[in-house]
Amino acid sequence: GAVVSQHPSWVICKSGTSVKIECRSLDFQATTMFWYRQFPKQSLMLMATSNEGSKATYEQGVEKDKFLINHASLTLSTLTVTSAHPEDSSFYICSAGASGETDTQYFGPGTRLTVL
Amino acid sequence: AQTVTQSQPEMSVQEAETVTLSCTYDTSESDYYLFWYKQPPSRQMILVIRQEAYKQQNATENRFSVNFQKAAKSFSLKISDSQLGDAAMYFCACPGSARQLTFGSGTQLTVLP
Repeated sequence: GAVVSQHPSWVICKSGTSVKIECRSLDFQATTMFWYRQFPKQSLMLMATSNEGSKATYEQGVEKDKFLINHASLTLSTLTVTSAHPEDSSFYICSAGASGETDTQYFGPGTRLTVL
Repeated sequence: AQTVTQSQPEMSVQEAETVTLSCTYDTSESDYYLFWYKQPPSRQMILVIRQEAYKQQNATENRFSVNFQKAAKSFSLKISDSQLGDAAMYFCACPGSARQLTFGSGTQLTVLP
């Protein structure tokens, strides 16, 4: 149990375009999902907390107009990178907490974004 | 805000031997969990073990165990009978009030055959 999927697993796009990444909890409901960013050989940095039915909470320094987050259901959160630039190239990972398991987060397999 | 410190960027261990990865943390939460995750080359984050801070007994999951020293805010991971498949980046993590995780910088573990 507690499986989280992400789609796509990798994407290459041109500078100026937008890219949407989906995060789904497959076998549990998640009122809260999290989006992280990871650069090569570095740790995970929290970008935002996604709450079902309400606005996301962004970490300091993360542009909310650039990284749009939608959490429309208890099993789906999306991250849209708008007007992507090469510096947005990174590994994006989502996670979700299973109900009843305090604080434990289960992670998606990640999405590698390359902006040309 | 939470802080998590992993002071060992790299560690190596012989297959079948035991290795301990260190982690210290700081949090203002009174009731919390602590986590160790591993990230193999596939980059999939995998939960290794978790510890409830209010429990004095150290958590154990098969070959993985923790040494939790709450007063010292120390949370080390011991891997016994190391296997080649244990090679990965290991991250210690501490949650905040909104369940968001703060990760340490990671320890890259190499298992030598």
